[in-house]
Amino acid sequence: ETGVTQTPRHLVMGMTNKKSLKCEQHLGHNAMYWYKQSAKKPLELMFVYNFKEQTENNSVPSRFSPECPNSSHLFLHLHTLQPEDSALYLCASSQHLGVGETQYFGPGTRLLVL
Amino acid sequence: GESVGLHLPTLSVQEGDNSIINCAYSNSASDYFIWYKQESGKGPQFIIDIRSNMDKRQGQRVTVLLNKTVKHLSLQIAATQPGDSAVYFCAERGSGGGADGLTFGKGTHLIIQP
Repeated sequence: ETGVTQTPRHLVMGMTNKKSLKCEQHLGHNAMYWYKQSAKKPLELMFVYNFKEQTENNSVPSRFSPECPNSSHLFLHLHTLQPEDSALYLCASSQHLGVGETQYFGPGTRLLVL
Repeated sequence: GESVGLHLPTLSVQEGDNSIINCAYSNSASDYFIWYKQESGKGPQFIIDIRSNMDKRQGQRVTVLLNKTVKHLSLQIAATQPGDSAVYFCAERGSGGGADGLTFGKGTHLIIQP
């Protein structure tokens, strides 16, 4: 176990649904990340939070909405998704931002959009 | 654009042999590199990292080699075991020191033959 948990592990949703992914880290880290991992593609960074403040948004569509209420919890709110959004969504955390900071990943949420 | 990639998508080795997984990167400004292991159904797991001021770093049964001249990174696994079967990703981070996430290669699938 890495100390980073994600729920749910699997999610099936229709294009008109609204759902949320949850990530929690028990490591006392200050930075948290959302990544998308699609089949046969490299990991894509989506959002970065540092001390609850969003510091990076990699041109992610507005149908993905992150929320970071505190340094231990990170949410990804989903609404009106498309089938191409089906992927593994990974949460990660690190002690701080910057070079040399190791990121610890959760197991991911496998999302299927119908 | 900048990219990190792996030469081979699949590597098959005999149990007990040494494995070498290669990675090429193109961002000459990157000064930090990481190898991750991802088993089926799990998130990536940190293996070993190396800064650009080093050309070799050893861990437990693993060695990472960095050749900045040709922008090449390799992961050597000694005495490969069945539990080493997984997809291995190299990743790099730029030297900006800001809110950068990791840029991953597509991965190499390591298969251990009995």
